[in-house]
Amino acid sequence: SAVISQKPSRDICQRGTSLTIQCQVDSQVTMMFWYRQQPGQSLTLIATANQGSEATYESGFVIDKFPISRPNLTFSTLTVSNMSPEDSSIYLCSVVRGFENTEAFFGQGTRLTVV
Amino acid sequence: GENVEQHPSTLSVQEGDSAVIKCTYSDSASNYFPWYKQELGKRPQLIIDIRSNVGEKKDQRIAVTLNKTAKHFSLHITETQPEDSAVYFCAASTEGYQKVTFGTGTKLQVIP
Repeated sequence: SAVISQKPSRDICQRGTSLTIQCQVDSQVTMMFWYRQQPGQSLTLIATANQGSEATYESGFVIDKFPISRPNLTFSTLTVSNMSPEDSSIYLCSVVRGFENTEAFFGQGTRLTVV
Repeated sequence: GENVEQHPSTLSVQEGDSAVIKCTYSDSASNYFPWYKQELGKRPQLIIDIRSNVGEKKDQRIAVTLNKTAKHFSLHITETQPEDSAVYFCAASTEGYQKVTFGTGTKLQVIP
C-alpha cells in the first residue's frame, strides 16, 4: 500500500489568487500524478510529475496555469494559478504501487472553492 | 491514447439484487483493468482488478469479467447492501507503464 498525505484538505480562495497543494508519500516513487475531479465527474489527469524533469501535461492543461514541482522522490506540489470559479474542484495526487506498478493510491484530496 | 467508456452513469437497485457496470476500452495494449470505489467525500480505493491473462475474477460478492477480443470488462456485485452505495470507476492501464485512464463513473444507489 501507500500512505499519501495531501494538504490542505479544503480551501476557499478569491479569484485571481493562487493555491499550492502539497502531497507527501511515505516512500520513494518515480512518478506522481495530479488529477482533477469536478463535482459528480470522473478523474481527469492534469499532469505527471517526474523527479528531476519537467512535468508532463495532458491535453487542456498548461504549465502556466498548473505549475508543478517535484523536488524529491517523496514530495510534489501543484499550484492552481490565477484562479477563477471554474477551477472549483477536488484535486487529488496519486502514486502507483504494487505488482507491475498497477495499483493507484490517492491522497485524501483538496476541495477547492473559488469565489 | 486510451479511452475508457463506462455505463450506466447511475444505477439504483434494491438491497439484495445484483448490480452490473460495464466498460469498454480502446487501446489493445492495455492489460490491467482495476475497479475503484469512491464513497462520498472519500478518496477512490481499489476493490478488484483483472489482468488480461484471465477472463474472470471473483472476490466474495464482487466479480469482474474481461473480454479482450471485444475490449470490454464488467463489474458484478451480487447481494447488494446499502454500504455498496458509492461511485464506481473502471480503469485501464498497461503493466509497467504507470498512467491510468479512468472511466466516467457509475453512481450506485442501493435502496434498503
